[in-house]
Amino acid sequence: NAGVTQTPKFRVLKTGQSMTLLCAQDMNHEYMYWYRQDPGMGLRLIHYSVGEGTTAKGEVPDGYNVSRLKKQNFLLGLESAAPSQTSVYFCASSYLGGRDEQFFGPGTRLTVL
Amino acid sequence: GESVGLHLPTLSVQEGDNSIINCAYSNSASDYFIWYKQESGKGPQFIIDIRSNMDKRQGQRVTVLLNKTVKHLSLQIAATQPGDSAVYFCAERNGNKLVFGAGTILRVKS
Repeated sequence: NAGVTQTPKFRVLKTGQSMTLLCAQDMNHEYMYWYRQDPGMGLRLIHYSVGEGTTAKGEVPDGYNVSRLKKQNFLLGLESAAPSQTSVYFCASSYLGGRDEQFFGPGTRLTVL
Repeated sequence: GESVGLHLPTLSVQEGDNSIINCAYSNSASDYFIWYKQESGKGPQFIIDIRSNMDKRQGQRVTVLLNKTVKHLSLQIAATQPGDSAVYFCAERNGNKLVFGAGTILRVKS
């Protein structure tokens, strides 16, 4: 099993450009999450999903959109990137939501110039 | 103003010593807690978890203690090794989500 994978690993954008980050998991987990991590800080939840076709806002959702068209995939979109969105983005999945371990991907390092 | 998140607490220990990393949580109704380890450039890795009906749980070289009275969680690492150097995060359950603390840097001196 590959676990949780993220593509791309690195990306540089110019202000105003758009992009989509892809997260895939092969563990048949219902719950998936997108976090951002800024230097010296913990993980902040952007959006999450409790199952295929569902999405919900987290702590810092502004400027991001998500979609969960297939159970195994969770997409994070930036429609008009801003320098404040420079961060490392982590995807995670779990079987029981907040009641068990979340499995994390390796992260995507995004720089917005 | 200055963000406290830019200055993570740091614990420096000698190789072979025991480490204790502390965490205060906010929600007295939380029923699940978890510790993660994050090495530089990698995603967080699960270490150990504990449910609120327990006050102690042991794993391999790690022990988590839960004190619900003062809303405090600790991670004890026995015989700390250089490979334990990382940032450690605690998290508590909030519905279908986990809420993460800011983290503690553990540095192991050889």
